[in-house]
This record gives sequence, structure tokens and C-alpha cells, in this order.
Amino acid sequence: GAVVSQHPSWVICKSGTSVKIECRSLDFQATTMFWYRQFPKQSLMLMATSNEGSKATYEQGVEKDKFLINHASLTLSTLTVTSAHPEDSSFYICSAAHDRESQYFGPGTRLTVL
Amino acid sequence: DAKTTQPPSMDCAEGRAANLPCNHSTISGNEYVYWYRQIHSQGPQYIIHGLKNNETNEMASLIITEDRKSSTLILPHATLRDTAVYYCIVRTGANNLFFGTGTRLTVIP
Repeated sequence: GAVVSQHPSWVICKSGTSVKIECRSLDFQATTMFWYRQFPKQSLMLMATSNEGSKATYEQGVEKDKFLINHASLTLSTLTVTSAHPEDSSFYICSAAHDRESQYFGPGTRLTVL
Repeated sequence: DAKTTQPPSMDCAEGRAANLPCNHSTISGNEYVYWYRQIHSQGPQYIIHGLKNNETNEMASLIITEDRKSSTLILPHATLRDTAVYYCIVRTGANNLFFGTGTRLTVIP
């Protein structure tokens, strides 16, 4: 139980294009989903928290217009990196939680912007 | 959420118990201790959590001191697949998880 998937697992795009990453909770309803970013040899950094049906809450320093988060259902959240640039290249990881229970993480998406 | 302190790295012989310490001296009464691990290029994996009692599951045991200022994660029989970065996190309820730098455990054949 408590399986979270992400799609795609990796993506390469040209600078200036937008990329959408999906996060799905496969066997439970996720009332809250979280998006993290991890640069090489660094720890995970929380980007934003989203509750189903409401706007995401972004951490300080994360541009909400650049990283669009949608949590339209209890099993799906999407992160769209708009107008991606090479400095956005990173490992993006989502997690999902049901009510106040533990967070379960997806396998991550490696984004490379050329 | 309270801050945690972990050693940056540890080695453990395969088949032996791996004991990973964590200090959380500023933990408050309603904060849980959570452990996750991250194998290279994968998402973090939940291991175990506890409030004040010791906990055990199929993966590990969690020993929390009586004053709750420190804890130890025990992997009873480490295997090569246990090589990963282990994160100790204290949190309340469904609050966000703030990952520190963790302990890089290397299991040696």
C-alpha cells in the first residue's frame, strides 16, 4: 500500500519550453501533496504544498508563476515548470499524505533543460 | 519543527546491525520522530516513526530516549541494499517535512 507514482521519470527539454510532471497516489486518497526539488549532492528542498481543490502554498523563494501546481483530484497533482531554463535542471520529487498521516514519496523526475 | 543533528556518514559491515543516531534536543512534546531513507536517484522511502515509545517494524527499530532528546534507528542485519542516505526528521502531524543533510550509510561487503 501507499504507492505514489510520477510521470515522466526523466525529461529533456529545450530552454524556454514548459514541462509538466504528474504525481499520482495509486492506492489511497491524498488530501495533501508536496513538491520537492533536489540538486546534485544536496538534500531535498520543499517547494510547495497543495491541498485538493485549493491553491498551493509556496515556500519562500519559489516563484509561483514559474512552478504551476494543480491538485485537481485526491489522486493527482501536477507541477508545470514554465519557460524552463538550464538552472531549473534538477530532480523533482512529489509526496502524498492522507489527512495527518505519513508522507509517501514518488520515485522522482529528473529534468534536464538544454 | 525541531532541528535534528546526524553524523554525515557511517560504515557498517554487511550482516551486522547498523545503529544510526540522531539528536533532537529541542523537540517539543507533540513532535514525532520520523526516519526516511533515500537510495541514490530515487525518492525517499518511509522507514518508521514514533512519539516516545520504542517502535519496531519489518524494516527497522526506533529507540527514543526517555527525555526524547535523541533517538537511534537500528537496522538489525544490514545488507548492501541498505546503502543510502538516512534522514531523521521531527514533525507535528501533517506538517511539511524539512530534510537536513542526513547520514550516508555505506554497507561494506
